[in-house]
Amino acid sequence: QKEVEQDPGPLSVPEGAIVSLNCTYSNSAFQYFMWYRQYSRKGPELLMYTYSSGNKEDGRFTAQVDKSSKYISLFIRDSQPSDSATYLCAMGLRQAGTALIFGKGTTLSVSS
Amino acid sequence: GAVVSQHPSRVICKSGTSVKIECRSLDFQATTMFWYRQFPKQSLMLMATSNEGSKATYEQGVEKDKFLINHASLTLSTLTVTSAHPEDSSFYICSASHPGQGDNTQYFGPGTRLTVL
Repeated sequence: QKEVEQDPGPLSVPEGAIVSLNCTYSNSAFQYFMWYRQYSRKGPELLMYTYSSGNKEDGRFTAQVDKSSKYISLFIRDSQPSDSATYLCAMGLRQAGTALIFGKGTTLSVSS
Repeated sequence: GAVVSQHPSRVICKSGTSVKIECRSLDFQATTMFWYRQFPKQSLMLMATSNEGSKATYEQGVEKDKFLINHASLTLSTLTVTSAHPEDSSFYICSASHPGQGDNTQYFGPGTRLTVL
C-alpha cells in the first residue's frame, strides 16, 4: 500500500460546480497536511495547510482532515476556469525541514 | 512573503555537459531545501534534502555523484547535473522549508525544464 493515494482523474466539471478532491494515507504519524495547485509547466503553489482534524476555510477553498479515517479533502466552491490545474495533496511531520510525501495529483478541468 | 526562485527556468544542453540550477529563497532564510524531479503527468519525486552547511541526503536510487547538491548559504542551494544525458531531461523543482512559520510549510520554486540533446 502506498503511503499516499490520490485519484489522478481527470476530473471535468462545469463552471460554478463544487469540486471535491481527496487523498487517503496510511501513516498515522503524519501530522501536517497541505494542498498545492500546479499549473502546467509551473512549480506547485501552496493553497492551504492544516494540522488538525476538522475543516479549515479560505475563501472558496475548504480543507478537511479526518485523522481517524486517514482521509483528507479539498473542496472548491463556485469553481472557475482558472481553477483548472493539477491539485497535489502533501503530508508529513509538522517539524520544519522534514520531507513531505506527495500524492500523484488530480487533474481538474473547469469548463465555462 | 515566502518566495522561492529558480534559475534558469529552461535550459537545453548537449549530452555530456554539466548543468547548474540555482534555487534561492528571496525573503526568508531556509535551513533546508529539497530537490524534486517531475516527469510529464507524474507527481513529484524527491531527489534529495539539502541542509545548509552539511552534505545533502539523497533518496534511494538517486546518484549523488551525478546530481551534486550544494547548500552554501541560508538562501541558496544549487543542483548540478553532471555529464547530462537525454534520460536526465525532466522538470526539476526545488522547495524551501520556512522555519519562521514554526512548521513544515514548504514553498516551491517555479521549476527548471532541462532538455538534454
